[in-house]
Amino acid sequence: ETGVTQSPTHLIKTRGQQVTLRCSSQSGHNTVSWYQQALGQGPQFIFQYYREEENGRGNFPPRFSGLQFPNYSSELNVNALELDDSALYLCASSLGALGGSEAFFGQGTRLTVV
Amino acid sequence: AQSVTQLGSHVSVSEGALVLLRCNYSSSVPPYLFWYVQYPNQGLQLLLKYTTGATLVKGINGFEAEFKKSETSFHLTKPSAHMSDAAEYFCAVSDRANTGNQFYFGTGTSLTVIP
Repeated sequence: ETGVTQSPTHLIKTRGQQVTLRCSSQSGHNTVSWYQQALGQGPQFIFQYYREEENGRGNFPPRFSGLQFPNYSSELNVNALELDDSALYLCASSLGALGGSEAFFGQGTRLTVV
Repeated sequence: AQSVTQLGSHVSVSEGALVLLRCNYSSSVPPYLFWYVQYPNQGLQLLLKYTTGATLVKGINGFEAEFKKSETSFHLTKPSAHMSDAAEYFCAVSDRANTGNQFYFGTGTSLTVIP
């Protein structure tokens, strides 16, 4: 059974550019959530996808968007990057989207915006 | 929205001493409660969770936590600290009223274990 994998592990972008982060969920999991973890802070919920549909969104602007594919892998897209977007982006997968479901986290993508 | 407070951003204990990491939540309806650990440059690993039933929950690596509704708390403890316990610990909640299982995290507590 493979765990949650994210790619790339690190990347550097310039302010104003666009970025796509990828996540492969754990085998059998149909729900993917994305979190932003700024340095020294706890993860902040961006959005969740359940069976390819958005199933909740946190307090992030529309330039943060996502997709979930039929194989339940997911992408996080961020347009018009700002310096404050520099953070660790975590993907979490779970079996089902019910409250209380355990989420399994990937190792994250470290995004630096310069 | 849920709010999670972790008292003490940094906690230091001696090896073999008791570990106590504090977590309080804000909602009047008790949420689902979780503790996650994060090692440097890694993602989050679940230590334990409380959903229903017995209020004392045992997790991995000798950790346990007790849900106290009257105190809106879910403190994490370990009787004897080990050097390998040094990490960042996050308390998280998931709202029972939501159909999704999005988490609200505290700001974390960095645990240092002194040899």
